Parts: sequence; C-alpha cells; structure tokens
Amino acid sequence: DQQVKQNSPSLSVQEGRISILNCDYTNSMFDYFLWYKKYPAEGPTFLISISSIKDKNEDGRFTVFLNKSAKHLSLHIVPSQPGDSAVYFCAAYSGGGADGLTFGKGTHLIIQP
Amino acid sequence: KAGVTQTPRYLIKTRGQQVTLSCSPISGHRSVSWYQQTPGQGLQFLFEYFSETQRNKGNFPGRFSGRQFSNSRSEMNVSTLELGDSALYLCASTHGGKTEAFFGQGTRLTVV
Repeated sequence: DQQVKQNSPSLSVQEGRISILNCDYTNSMFDYFLWYKKYPAEGPTFLISISSIKDKNEDGRFTVFLNKSAKHLSLHIVPSQPGDSAVYFCAAYSGGGADGLTFGKGTHLIIQP
Repeated sequence: KAGVTQTPRYLIKTRGQQVTLSCSPISGHRSVSWYQQTPGQGLQFLFEYFSETQRNKGNFPGRFSGRQFSNSRSEMNVSTLELGDSALYLCASTHGGKTEAFFGQGTRLTVV
C-alpha cells in the first residue's frame, strides 16, 4: 500500500516556465514533508521541507505548498532551468523520525529548451 | 563540511555470498538510516541507527542487518545474497529526529 503517491511519472516543462510537481499521501500521521532531487546513480539531494504546522515554505526558486485537509503537497519551481531536469521525490516522516522517510515513486521532470 | 560518504561505490557479488557496505555520516550527525532503491519498489527504508542503537527497521528479511559504531559510522550487511538484492543502497544522516536527511552517493550492488 503506497502511503506517498506521485501520480505523474514524468512531466515536461518549457525552460523559464513554472514546474509544478504533485504529491498525495494517505497516512494522517505524516507531519513533516521533504522534496528531494535525484540524478541517475547518485543519492537524492535535499531541496526543501515543510512542517505540517505550515502551509507554505519558500526557498529561492522552490516553493512547497501543503494542503492538510486534502493530504496533498506540491513543489513549484519558478523559473524552470535546464539543470532542474531530474527525478523529484516527495518524502514524509511520521512519529519521532525513527521510522525513516517514506518516499513516493518519483516524477521525472524534463525541462525543454 | 564533508558530506555523507559511502564505500564502495560499486560492487558485484555472486548469489549466496555476503556483503558489507559502509557509511560515514556528516560530522556531528548521530543518526544514520539505510535505504534500498530498485526500479520496481522505489526507495524503501531499511533501518535507522542512533547512538549505536537500531531504533527501527523496515519490512526486510533478517538477511539485512546493520550496526553503528561510537563515531557514528555505520555498516550494513546482507547475507546469502539473492538476485533480487541487486539495487542502489543509500545511506542518509541527520542530527536525529525529523530533520532533513542528507544522502550519500550510494553503493550500486549487482548480484549475479
């Protein structure tokens, strides 16, 4: 049973436009969410996080929105750049964090020139 | 500040053998977690260590084990390797608790 779902396996966006990556979760115990970016054969790189007490967190070109009632979060990248082409993973913690991160299956973002 | 270091980067083993992977966390981080990434299952939590104690374990068989040393370095061991154990094994370190986890580059294990 997938507790964190990224329903779009891939997304193509034109350079300079906004990229919106979506993530849904089912476990109401999740209370801290993170987005990671990953290139092939490398480890995930932390991008941005958000606690369940907030509904928005912004860091440069990256903004994460959390809608707790819908159990949905999204990552906005503005403007999109060629170097943003990678696989993006949504992940969540529950409890004290000792359970580790639960990851979605990822969305492959392709930035078109 | 050095990042998370995993060794070796690549490994080829034969079915039935055992393997040990190593992870050095970011200096000052006391928590180390291990994850397995496969094309079919994605990234899955293996186990987490904090102050040399395993605090939790994911849904993996007992062939997967680990330990953490007093300097926070961690090792994971897989015994009686199966073809399905071929994967990218990732180590992540945090200060502990729900904070940003920083990942190493991973060890690519191929079982033949």
